[in-house]
Amino acid sequence: DIQMTQSPSSLSASVGDRVTITCQASQDISNYLSWYQQKPGKVPKLLIYDASNLETGVPSRFSGSRSGTDFTFTINSLQPEDIATYFCQQYANLPRTFGPGTKVDIK
Amino acid sequence: EVQLVESGGGLVQPGGSLRLSCAASGFTFSIYWMSWVRQAPGKGLEWVASIKQDGNEKYYVDPVKGRFTISRDNAINSLYLQMNSLRAEDTAVYYCARGVSYYRYWGQGSLVTVSS
Repeated sequence: DIQMTQSPSSLSASVGDRVTITCQASQDISNYLSWYQQKPGKVPKLLIYDASNLETGVPSRFSGSRSGTDFTFTINSLQPEDIATYFCQQYANLPRTFGPGTKVDIK
Repeated sequence: EVQLVESGGGLVQPGGSLRLSCAASGFTFSIYWMSWVRQAPGKGLEWVASIKQDGNEKYYVDPVKGRFTISRDNAINSLYLQMNSLRAEDTAVYYCARGVSYYRYWGQGSLVTVSS
């Protein structure tokens, strides 16, 4: 199984800050990586697919990139509504696996 | 508008069974892979199972193999998850999701609690 490690597990930042979350795959997954936002008590929401493609309707302050087996998710200017837990997920192989999540809150 | 509506969750004793249903609407159900993803209370997301459009290919995460069965009825746009021999560690919100790679659409989730 492909293991997904994600860091940090939590972070606190100020409104307007740039926030970066990293996700590392245990083996090559090409660009088969997605990012989800989950607000407390809500359903996960797809933000990024194929490592860097922004889902329709998602604000452009969210972005994703890849370098080998390392993936980066960035919020360019953190907004209060971005308080959530963010998960990465690989879909190169079965079983599909998710990172453990990064909880983002406002400082 | 794509809608996925789960039902069938509840409280069940260890060793018991439960069948989850997911009613799909707003898209052509029969041309999509479908999946179940679960989330234990306060924990992360775990893919559970996926089923091909015609139901002839099914895949499961190891902890549920031999106990859970994913199925679908394209005539009535419905996805199912039959869960047998339930364990405390199966306690989770179970989400129905469209697709087999990334998941653009999710249901609201159905809580399954396994406890005596």
